[in-house]
Amino acid sequence: GQQVQQSPASLVLQEGENAELQCNFSSTATRLQWFYQRPGGSLVSLLSNPSGTKHTGRLTSTTVTKERRGSLHISSSQITDSGTYLCAMERGNYQLIWGSGTKLIIKP
Amino acid sequence: EAAVTQSPRSKVAVTGGKVTLSCHQTNNHDYMYWYRQDTGHGLRLIHYSYVADSTEKGDIPDGYKASRPSQENFSLILELASLSQTAVYFCASSDRWGGQNTLYFGAGTRLSVL
Repeated sequence: GQQVQQSPASLVLQEGENAELQCNFSSTATRLQWFYQRPGGSLVSLLSNPSGTKHTGRLTSTTVTKERRGSLHISSSQITDSGTYLCAMERGNYQLIWGSGTKLIIKP
Repeated sequence: EAAVTQSPRSKVAVTGGKVTLSCHQTNNHDYMYWYRQDTGHGLRLIHYSYVADSTEKGDIPDGYKASRPSQENFSLILELASLSQTAVYFCASSDRWGGQNTLYFGAGTRLSVL
C-alpha cells in the first residue's frame, strides 16, 4: 500500500483563508519534508521537520512521528500559494518516500 | 541562489531509442539525484551520486543508467526507451545526505516516449 498519504487531494480556498494539509505515513520516519510544486512543475523545498513544530513565514509544519502524521498550515493564503504541496518522509538512510500531493487552489 | 539546470526541457523519443537527460549544478554540491514523477504522483528516486565517477541505484533503477563525469554534471541515460518511461524527470542536488539538507531541483524534463 501507499506509504505516504496526503489529504485532501485538492483544496479550494478564498484568498486570506488558512490551509491545513495532512500527511500520514505507514512506517517509521526520521523526519518529514514539505515541498511546493509550482503549476509549471518546478519544485522548491519548504520545510524539513523531524518532530514538533517549525515555522517559516506563513508556514507551520507539525510532525508527530510516533503517531506517523504531519501537517502543513498555511496562514492567510495568497493566490500565489496555488500549486501542489508534496510531503516526503525520510527513513533512516537517504530514502525519501513521497506522497502524491495536495493541489491547492486559492481564489481571489 | 543554488542553481540546477536540466536539458532538454522536453523531449519526444521513439520506443527503443536512446535518450540522454543532462543536469548541471553550480552549487558545488556533492550529492545529485534523478527522480521521475508520473502524473498525479509523487517522486521516485532512480539514481543518485555523491562523488564524481560514481553512481548508486535508487528505488527504481531498472531501465536507466546514470553517469557523473564531474561534480557539476549528472546524466540519466535510457538506452532503450519504452512507453512506460514517459514521465517528468527531475534532477536535484544537495550539500550533504540526509533530511536536514535542502534539495535544490531543476525545472524538470518532460519526456514522451511514442
